[in-house]
Amino acid sequence: AQKITQTQPGMFVQEKEAVTLDCTYDTSDQSYGLFWYKQPSSGEMIFLIYQGSYDEQNATEGRYSLNFQKARKSANLVISASQLGDSAMYFCAMRVLKGGGNKLTFGTGTQLKVEL
Amino acid sequence: NAGVTQTPKFQVLKTGQSMTLQCAQDMNHNSMYWYRQDPGMGLRLIYYSASEGTTDKGEVPNGYNVSRLNKREFSLRLESAAPSQTSVYFCASSEGAAPTGYTFGSGTRLTVV
Repeated sequence: AQKITQTQPGMFVQEKEAVTLDCTYDTSDQSYGLFWYKQPSSGEMIFLIYQGSYDEQNATEGRYSLNFQKARKSANLVISASQLGDSAMYFCAMRVLKGGGNKLTFGTGTQLKVEL
Repeated sequence: NAGVTQTPKFQVLKTGQSMTLQCAQDMNHNSMYWYRQDPGMGLRLIYYSASEGTTDKGEVPNGYNVSRLNKREFSLRLESAAPSQTSVYFCASSEGAAPTGYTFGSGTRLTVV
């Protein structure tokens, strides 16, 4: 079975600073994908970034980057130059690509608050 | 707009009542999912349908049934609602192992009193 652990229920960061949201995962499969989603207070789920288990480079999407450390089974999200609009709940998720039925397993989330 | 449409957005039920949550996607995706979101627990998979004509249980299927009506539509039914089913329900769809993961609906906030 797959498991995602997010150990930070809440985080604060000052505007324009960088912040790292932690995510560790557990799977015995070699082929998998890791995702981060943002959920603002309005409730919708917004896809941010994806990292495949065989990708050698860390994924980046604008101000978002994924710090992928395969040996440590971690996939931390780094947000650079935080903005007030980054205040939201952030979920890490994993999908196993072999026989997994494309199911995403989610962590419990980290509530990020960006302050002036 | 293209995407995943869920109805209703809000619903209040009395214990024991039944209801069906509707979900439709217009992206021609093969796979569809139902999740529930509870505070401190993230999103948990209730049921999923890998392709038209198939459905499978997820992590928390008890008290729910699903129907994959056609490729576009995947409904979730609560036969006898219980207060423990108070939650926010999300429908999602995906196409294979696409690196964008799922496309989510906007959610249904259900309260069972």
